Amino acid sequence: GAVVSQHPSWVICKSGTSVKIECRSLDFQATTMFWYRQFPKQSLMLMATSNEGSKATYEQGVEKDKFLINHASLTLSTLTVTSAHPEDSSFYICSAGRLAGGGDTQYFGPGTRLTVL
Amino acid sequence: SQQGEEDPQALSIQEGENATMNCSYKTSINNLQWYRQNSGRGLVHLILIRSNEREKHSGRLRVTLDTSKKSSSLLITASRAADTASYFCATDAKDTGRRALTFGSGTRLQVQP
Repeated sequence: GAVVSQHPSWVICKSGTSVKIECRSLDFQATTMFWYRQFPKQSLMLMATSNEGSKATYEQGVEKDKFLINHASLTLSTLTVTSAHPEDSSFYICSAGRLAGGGDTQYFGPGTRLTVL
Repeated sequence: SQQGEEDPQALSIQEGENATMNCSYKTSINNLQWYRQNSGRGLVHLILIRSNEREKHSGRLRVTLDTSKKSSSLLITASRAADTASYFCATDAKDTGRRALTFGSGTRLQVQP
């Protein structure tokens, strides 16, 4: 099966610092990756769609200058939380889309827990 | 709102009982998926049902889909303590070109041993 990894799995940082989260598709190429955010006891909310070689598409209400997304290769997308604040503390989950057999399947990473002090 | 609705929000049952969770969504879809998430962990894909299917089984899981009502249900039979988790439905959006999934609000299932 297709595997998606995320690194780091958890990170604690001080307020005002920037944190980079990596999402990798390990055994397939993903032209599109998705970044979701999940607050405690809530559902996943889409933040942005990351397209290889082009700018990400952000959902309404998500600040593109705060959440920088780079999709430099077909197997790697990064999310950088700039000038992190405690309210950015959340569980960040990526998924990678794979088109195969006439279908579109998304494979989810294990998530990254960000805690901003 | 981006999300669909799920009910109940929380469900507590005894081991061996069946658990039923319901999901409603807003747009026309190509397919609907159910995921499980243990506390603080990633998502585990359970089952996918296509818009032209009405029912699907996988082990102890049974999923139904009613596209006229824009609703789905997940039935877990003979529940086990290990089934304790949050369960989410997720839909795509037909004919929009949007590939991202829209998740329901989730049901927190507690199975008492």
